[in-house]
Parts: sequence; C-alpha cells; structure tokens
Amino acid sequence: EVQLQESGPGLVKPSQSLSLTCSVTGYSITSNYWGWIRKFPGNKMEWMGYISYSGSTSYNPSLKSRISITRDTSKNQFFLQLNSVTTEDTATYYCARWAGMRYVMDAWGQGASVTVSS
Amino acid sequence: DVVLTQTPPTLSATIGQSVSISCRSSQSLLHSNGNTYLHWLLQRPGQSPQLLIYLVSRLESGVPNRFSGSGSGTDFTLKISGVEAEDLGVYYCVQGTHAPWTFGGGTKLELK
Repeated sequence: EVQLQESGPGLVKPSQSLSLTCSVTGYSITSNYWGWIRKFPGNKMEWMGYISYSGSTSYNPSLKSRISITRDTSKNQFFLQLNSVTTEDTATYYCARWAGMRYVMDAWGQGASVTVSS
Repeated sequence: DVVLTQTPPTLSATIGQSVSISCRSSQSLLHSNGNTYLHWLLQRPGQSPQLLIYLVSRLESGVPNRFSGSGSGTDFTLKISGVEAEDLGVYYCVQGTHAPWTFGGGTKLELK
C-alpha cells in the first residue's frame, strides 16, 4: 500500500522560501505523477503542480515563477520549493499521487500546515 | 482556468436521508480522448482528502456503493443514497481535463 508523508517547517517568514519533502513508501516515484495541492484557510483548494515518472514537471501558471518540484529517486522522495512567500501562502500542503490511466489523485499525504508570518 | 461551481455550499442531512451535490463547470469537461476527467473527493474532519468517484461515475475501490456520480459536459452530480455518520465532511469536485487542475469550492455535509 502506498503511503505519502509530508515534512518541513511549519513556520516561514515572508519573502523567504517554503520547502517541503514528500516521502513515499510502498510505491516507486519513477511511476505515475506526483505532486502538490494546498488547502487555504476555509475550503479553497489549489493544484500547485506535479512531477512525472520521467522527471518532467507541470506547474499552475499562477505559481509558475515561484515554484519548483524536484525529486530524489534514490530516496523515493519529491520536493516542493515555493519562493518569495507571503501571508497568502499560509495553507495546508498535501502531496499526492496521480493514478495512471485514471488520471486522478488516488493517494494523499496527511498534510503539512505551513504558516507564513514574521 | 475552468471554474467549478458547487452547490449547495452547505448541506444538512439526517442519517438515512438521500442527498445530492451539484458541480457545474464553466466549460465542457469532455476531453478530446473521449474521457471526462471529473472526480469527487471527500475530506473528513481532521483527515486528508480521499477519492470517492473518478471519471464522473466510477466508484473508487473500497468506497460504499451508496455513493454515485453522474453527469456529462458541464453538469455533474454526486448522490449519497442514505447518509451515514461517517459521510460527514467536505465534498469537492475536481477536474483534470483542462490545465490547470481546478477544484470546486466544496460542499460541507453536516448532520441536521
């Protein structure tokens, strides 16, 4: 059974970079797509981007200048970096797997709460 | 970006009641490959989202068959035939036909 686990700082200062790690067990990240989704206070959800089995990436244009998703296949981990954060980036960040042919998020991490504040 | 409008934003139900949630898209979600990438998620309190229904009407493994999805084009519906206590939480529709992926605003299911 695949399991995903987010880790990283819970507090980031404005203008700095937010960095999160998603550790995956039970499934290789060299298959499928793996990405990040965030939920803002309230109910709003936003797809941030993903990295494919081959290492190619796709990002939400609203974030394109600030976001980077990378991976370490030897550790079966992938990473999120979001630069120049503001208080509006305060959210719970989820990593997720996209199922292949179904092209849907079928496995999620438990979420990492990140607050941007000085 | 595709806008998904979910109604109602809040739904109060009694145990055993059947309820429906609507998700309307600002453009057709029929992909050129013939698939419609409209899915439904449930986020229970304190938990991460989980997949309920994918490709409009296909039940995810392990999800009770009281959940069903229907629709086409721009109008989609999630139905729960006999709400149970474990169904409480926030329901989201999400589309992957048109980049970027977008989510509906959520429907919170509460006990009446």
